[in-house]
Amino acid sequence: DADVTQTPRNRITKTGKRIMLECSQTKGHDRMYWYRQDPGLGLRLIYYSFDVKDINKGEISDGYSVSRQAQAKFSLSLESAIPNQTALYFCATSTGGATIYNEQFFGPGTRLTVL
Amino acid sequence: RKEVEQDPGPFNVPEGATVAFNCTYSNSASQSFFWYRQDCRKEPKLLMSVYSSGNEDGRFTAQLNRASQYISLLIRDSKLSDSATYLCVVSHSTLTFGKGTMLLVSP
Repeated sequence: DADVTQTPRNRITKTGKRIMLECSQTKGHDRMYWYRQDPGLGLRLIYYSFDVKDINKGEISDGYSVSRQAQAKFSLSLESAIPNQTALYFCATSTGGATIYNEQFFGPGTRLTVL
Repeated sequence: RKEVEQDPGPFNVPEGATVAFNCTYSNSASQSFFWYRQDCRKEPKLLMSVYSSGNEDGRFTAQLNRASQYISLLIRDSKLSDSATYLCVVSHSTLTFGKGTMLLVSP
């Protein structure tokens, strides 16, 4: 079984709809991240969480919100989806000390299309 | 200047060739450095960490030059299975990913 899972794997929705992407991990890592990937733009950080009580905005948080329901679960919400949020979304986890970032383990991705 | 810059490629090389990827970063306070590999439509996976002393893993060699803020990855004896996009990754407060360099190895 995969250590980091994402649901759904593919989603097509319409402008204005509320969408939730879910991420679960069995690695026991404290840190979890949400990224989006667009052609020609690379991976960009949306939100990250270092533990259950910690939520931080990333580079491109506008239009998104997150919830860290448990150590193993981190969900990303689009309150009112718009077409330019069409992208490939990745969840990732890691361990880490105060300043050193260790390997990030990525989920398989969710391909979201907003019409 | 962008935070992490890479040549987008693609690099087209024959099997057995040696290929080098370069990466520059703008934040001199960056602390950790990595190369990730991403296959088409798949998730990125760690290829190797990069240390100031340089490090080697089989056919792969990574180098870091902090003074020049430059990272490199050398792949020797390229295999068809090396075809992928290689992402340069730098950490300061969070990880910053380069856009990646695509490698295509042909028979």
